[in-house]
Amino acid sequence: NAGVTQTPKFQVLKTGQSMTLQCAQDMNHEYMSWYRQDPGMGLRLIHYSVGAGITDQGEVPNGYNVSRSTTEDFPLRLLSAAPSQTSVYFCASTGSEPNQPQHFGDGTRLSIL
Amino acid sequence: AQSVTQPDIHITVSEGASLELRCNYSYGATPYLFWYVQSPGQGLQLLLKYFSGDTLVQGIKGFEAEFKRSQSSFNLRKPSVHWSDAAEYFCAVTGGYQKVTFGIGTKLQVIP
Repeated sequence: NAGVTQTPKFQVLKTGQSMTLQCAQDMNHEYMSWYRQDPGMGLRLIHYSVGAGITDQGEVPNGYNVSRSTTEDFPLRLLSAAPSQTSVYFCASTGSEPNQPQHFGDGTRLSIL
Repeated sequence: AQSVTQPDIHITVSEGASLELRCNYSYGATPYLFWYVQSPGQGLQLLLKYFSGDTLVQGIKGFEAEFKRSQSSFNLRKPSVHWSDAAEYFCAVTGGYQKVTFGIGTKLQVIP
């Protein structure tokens, strides 16, 4: 059982480049989220989805786009990378009941030069 | 707005000593509370959760936490720490679904 799979694990970009962080889950979870983790700031919600075709903004959405065409996949797009987006990105999924925990991927470590 | 405060950024304990990590939350109704652990280079793993019932909840790896509504706290405890417990610990609160708010984390160092 793979759980939540994120690719790539590491990436270095130049300012202005674009890229997509991939996230896939095999637990048939309706809810998926993207977080960024920065030292001293914990995890901050970027975007989330409550099902295929439905997405919404979290706490820090600027500079990021998402889409949810299938239940399994929830890619995060950086349209024009900036050094402030250097971070560790985590994708998570959870079931439909509010007391269910988040299942996290292993993260993508992204550096913007 | 919901929030989580973890007042201790870094804690050092000796192996075999007891541990308590503090978490205070702010939420207008009955919260769902979680503790997660993160080992270096890994994602977060659930330790335990509280959503109703008994205010003392047991988790994996010998951890427990107590929900105290009057103090808006959900402190994590372990009676005897092992070197493998060295990691970063996150408290989180939600009223449901995707609106999960995490604390900034407490990094635990264990001295042999």
